[in-house]
Amino acid sequence: AQTVTQSQPEMSVQEAETVTLSCTYDTSENNYYLFWYKQPPSRQMILVIRQEAYKQQNATENRFSVNFQKAAKSFSLKISDSQLGDTAMYFCAFMISSNAGNMLTFGGGTRLMVKP
Amino acid sequence: EPEVTQTPSHQVTQMGQEVILRCVPISNHLYFYWYRQILGQKVEFLVSFYNNEISEKSEIFDDQFSVERPDGSNFTLKIRSTKLEDSAMYFCASSQQGVSYEQYFGPGTRLTVT
Repeated sequence: AQTVTQSQPEMSVQEAETVTLSCTYDTSENNYYLFWYKQPPSRQMILVIRQEAYKQQNATENRFSVNFQKAAKSFSLKISDSQLGDTAMYFCAFMISSNAGNMLTFGGGTRLMVKP
Repeated sequence: EPEVTQTPSHQVTQMGQEVILRCVPISNHLYFYWYRQILGQKVEFLVSFYNNEISEKSEIFDDQFSVERPDGSNFTLKIRSTKLEDSAMYFCASSQQGVSYEQYFGPGTRLTVT
């Protein structure tokens, strides 16, 4: 079974600063996908960024980037130039590429507070 | 931009009652999912559905749960006899294709069992 661990229950950052959220996972699979989802107070889950395990290059989406370390099974999210609207719960998630059901396995989440 | 919708936003029911949670996935999506999130806990996979049948289900998805796509637009989750521990936020999601494709989540239905 796959597990996803987010070791930081809560974090805070000053507006315009950079913050890094940690995620580690455990799997015996070689082909998989990793995701970061954002859940603002509205509770809707929004995809932030996606990484394919076979790609060595770290994914980036505007102010969001990841540091994917496959050997260490680590997948951290870096948010640059933090904005008040980034305040939310952030969930790391994992999907096996051979999984017929496309099941996402989520970590426990990190609550990020961006302070003005 | 197309989005997944869910109704109702909040459902209160008594223990032992049946509830049906409704979802309208994005129209050209082929894969449908239900997840739940008990307050303060992680999001958990319940079931995935493709081509009018269940693709995968978790241990949580026992005989009390069922899913259906009764027509071309709706996707429902039924809980036959609700228990207190079924109280949670239930999220529907859909994706255009399978693996690696983004799962678009709906806003959720908060189910409260009293």
